[in-house]
Amino acid sequence: QKEVEQNSGPLSVPEGAIASLNCTYSDRGSQSFFWYRQYSGKSPELIMSIYSNGDKEDGRFTAQLNKASQYVSLLIRDSQPSDSATYLCAVNRVTGGGNKLTFGTGTQLKVEL
Amino acid sequence: SQTIHQWPATLVQPVGSPLSLECTVEGTSNPNLYWYRQAAGRGLQLLFYSVGIGQISSEVPQNLSASRPQDRQFILSSKKLLLSDSGFYLCAWSPFRRGRVYEQYFGPGTRLTVT
Repeated sequence: QKEVEQNSGPLSVPEGAIASLNCTYSDRGSQSFFWYRQYSGKSPELIMSIYSNGDKEDGRFTAQLNKASQYVSLLIRDSQPSDSATYLCAVNRVTGGGNKLTFGTGTQLKVEL
Repeated sequence: SQTIHQWPATLVQPVGSPLSLECTVEGTSNPNLYWYRQAAGRGLQLLFYSVGIGQISSEVPQNLSASRPQDRQFILSSKKLLLSDSGFYLCAWSPFRRGRVYEQYFGPGTRLTVT
């Protein structure tokens, strides 16, 4: 089992719809969770962080965390073509120490006109 | 505000040649610094991690090395490049705070092609 798993996609949604991106992680002790957006050929950009169970909203983005199910998701409301990118889920490492993250391989999102 | 710089942006090097990639961070002190590699179509692989000057942790044994000669400077090096070293090299920084693990911020990256 991979430490952080994401569906590679592509996930296609029409413009204006809600895009739902999911991520599961294996280490039950993880406490810090992040979503990054990566446009093709560019570096990852942090868009959300979440540390507690429940929802966290920032503009059109909502991160959802369920530690009991070891599941974190990202909802993008009113999806725009500019949201088309690969979304990376990152989770802190518990073993090995240090301020380190494990990244999923990402979900490619395509927002279609 | 904090900014992170990487150079060069792109690099084409022959097999067996040396490598030096540089990363600098502005606007913060005592950051945690990271080097990652992202191969085409693959995830981010952590290569090196540093909590302070001269303190380097290696994640993956390979022909690469890292150094941190100054608080906000992180250098990735190789004496002899392999074809498998091709990829997108990303430097990242994270605030130094005790307690929970904090977010990382990435530089623009260096795209390395070994020929």
